[in-house]
Amino acid sequence: KAGVTQTPRYLIKTRGQQVTLSCSPISGHRSVSWYQQTPGQGLQFLFEYFSETQRNKGNFPGRFSGRQFSNSRSEMNVSTLELGDSALYLCASMGSGFPYEQYFGPGTRLTVT
Amino acid sequence: GQNIDQPTEMTATEGAIVQINCTYQTSGFNGLFWYQQHAGEAPTFLSYNVLDGLEEKGRFSSFLSRSKGYSYLLLKELQMKDSASYLCAVRDHNNAGNMLTFGGGTRLMVKP
Repeated sequence: KAGVTQTPRYLIKTRGQQVTLSCSPISGHRSVSWYQQTPGQGLQFLFEYFSETQRNKGNFPGRFSGRQFSNSRSEMNVSTLELGDSALYLCASMGSGFPYEQYFGPGTRLTVT
Repeated sequence: GQNIDQPTEMTATEGAIVQINCTYQTSGFNGLFWYQQHAGEAPTFLSYNVLDGLEEKGRFSSFLSRSKGYSYLLLKELQMKDSASYLCAVRDHNNAGNMLTFGGGTRLMVKP
């Protein structure tokens, strides 16, 4: 099976702009989670989607949003970018069998200037 | 909320054994995961514990004590390729879904 894929891999944006990141889960996986990883804060949970519905949400401002399509592909959007949004954004899809571990994609490295 | 603590950095020698500790506080524990992350790469799943005791997987073992809110990852016969960050993550059953809370990660350096 192909792994989790994320596009683009690298992105440079300017403050105030918006960005959309894409994630394709492993075939058959219906749960997709998004995480932000920074050197100072580590891996922080953004949100989880399951069958096109947001099932969990982390403590991030409303500028961070996401959605999931019927084929389980997911997108996350960040509006009005700030310098502090520079991070590695990781997407993970969850296996359907015990122990329901998450499989991570390679991430999108976002730099905000 | 949840609080997960692990040492920031550890150093060990090739061929030795190293234990990486993780302590957690959570309102509704539903399993603990260990992930390995090499620099510039995605985290990869190593182990899962939901009941007390030791789970062994080749050179890697993970231990859990729910009453103490404590886990450790044991790496035996260390190899240079084991130099990576090791992330402890807890799943909370108060959530309907699959939200993981991660510790800050332990950066392990293996020296010759």
